[in-house]
Amino acid sequence: ETGVTQSPTHLIKTRGQQVTLRCSSQSGHNTVSWYQQALGQGPQFIFQYYREEENGRGNFPPRFSGLQFPNYSSELNVNALELDDSALYLCASSLGARSPNNEQFFGPGTRLTVL
Amino acid sequence: AQKVTQAQTEISVVEKEDVTLDCVYETRDTTYYLFWYKQPPSGELVFLIRRNSFDEQNEISGRYSWNFQKSTSSFNFTITASQVVDSAVYFCALILYNQGGKLIFGQGTELSVKP
Repeated sequence: ETGVTQSPTHLIKTRGQQVTLRCSSQSGHNTVSWYQQALGQGPQFIFQYYREEENGRGNFPPRFSGLQFPNYSSELNVNALELDDSALYLCASSLGARSPNNEQFFGPGTRLTVL
Repeated sequence: AQKVTQAQTEISVVEKEDVTLDCVYETRDTTYYLFWYKQPPSGELVFLIRRNSFDEQNEISGRYSWNFQKSTSSFNFTITASQVVDSAVYFCALILYNQGGKLIFGQGTELSVKP
């Protein structure tokens, strides 16, 4: 069983640029959730994708967008990067979107630095 | 609004000491789940335990134990005979039943276990 993987591991961008982060869900999982974790803080929910559709969104502006592909892998896109977007971005996969009983398995994260 | 508070930002203990990490949550919902996650320096969140709001039975797993008290909205985590490998950031989190994907995290407690 393959776990959740994320790429790239680290990324450095400048303010105003755009970035795409990638996540491969655990085998058999159809749901992917994305979280932003600023330094010294707990993760904050960005959005969730279930069967290729957005299924819930946190308090993030529209310049944070995502996609989920037929193989359930996912992308997080951030446009017009700001300094405050510097964070660890975590992806979590689970089986089924609505059941909170389903454990979310987290990837190792992508560390984004915006200069 | 829902909220999770971990008042202890950092805790430092010497190996073999017992340590308790506090978690207090706020929600008006009656059906919810509570979680504890461990985040080692590698960044990946590791699931430790899930508890639903109808099950106040305390749980023990090896050196780990959890005390859930709805009356005080607390879900505390105790490590008995701590070890250096327990050093990590620990997060308490909440999911509402009708928001299956959205984990609400506390700010985390950084535990340092010294030999």
